[in-house]
Amino acid sequence: DSGVTQTPKHLITATGQRVTLRCSPRSGDLSVYWYQQSLDQGLQFLIQYYNGEERAKGNILERFSAQQFPDLHSELNLSSLELGDSALYFCASSVSGGARETQYFGPGTRLLVL
Amino acid sequence: DQQVKQNSPSLSVQEGRISILNCDYTNSMFDYFLWYKKYPAEGPTFLISISSIKDKNEDGRFTVFLNKSAKHLSLHIVPSQPGDSAVYFCAASEVDQFYFGTGTSLTVIP
Repeated sequence: DSGVTQTPKHLITATGQRVTLRCSPRSGDLSVYWYQQSLDQGLQFLIQYYNGEERAKGNILERFSAQQFPDLHSELNLSSLELGDSALYFCASSVSGGARETQYFGPGTRLLVL
Repeated sequence: DQQVKQNSPSLSVQEGRISILNCDYTNSMFDYFLWYKKYPAEGPTFLISISSIKDKNEDGRFTVFLNKSAKHLSLHIVPSQPGDSAVYFCAASEVDQFYFGTGTSLTVIP
């Protein structure tokens, strides 16, 4: 158990809809990362937050947005969903968000868009 | 554009033998490399890392080798154990960007 929790575990929705994925980092970790893993793809880095502020942005679509709240939990919002958004979404956390810090991953949320 | 590539989707090894997992990258600006292990229904867990200024890092049964001129990274597991059966991802970072390979599924046969 990494100490990172993600809810829900599974999510089934329809094209055009909007969903919110939630992540609680390990106790004491200030930085949160979001990744997307599509079928036969590696993990694609989406975005990183540190202590409530966006720190780095990767391959995140404009239809996706995220935020980190004062209690340090984070939410990833996916809107105007398309079939291709079906994937496993991982959240990870680290102590202070340095590029060389170990990231601790949650179990993921599996999203299926029908 | 896959900047980190793991060209072998799967690998099978006998228990007690060496497992060698390979990874190639294209970006010469990567300065830190990591290996993660992933079991089914779990998130990846950190295994071992190496800075670009080194060519080898060892941690118990796990050794990572970095060949910068070839832009090649490898993970050696000796001896391999059945509990090592998992998907292994290599990853690289450049400043604040993180890139992962597609993973290699290792099966260690008892």
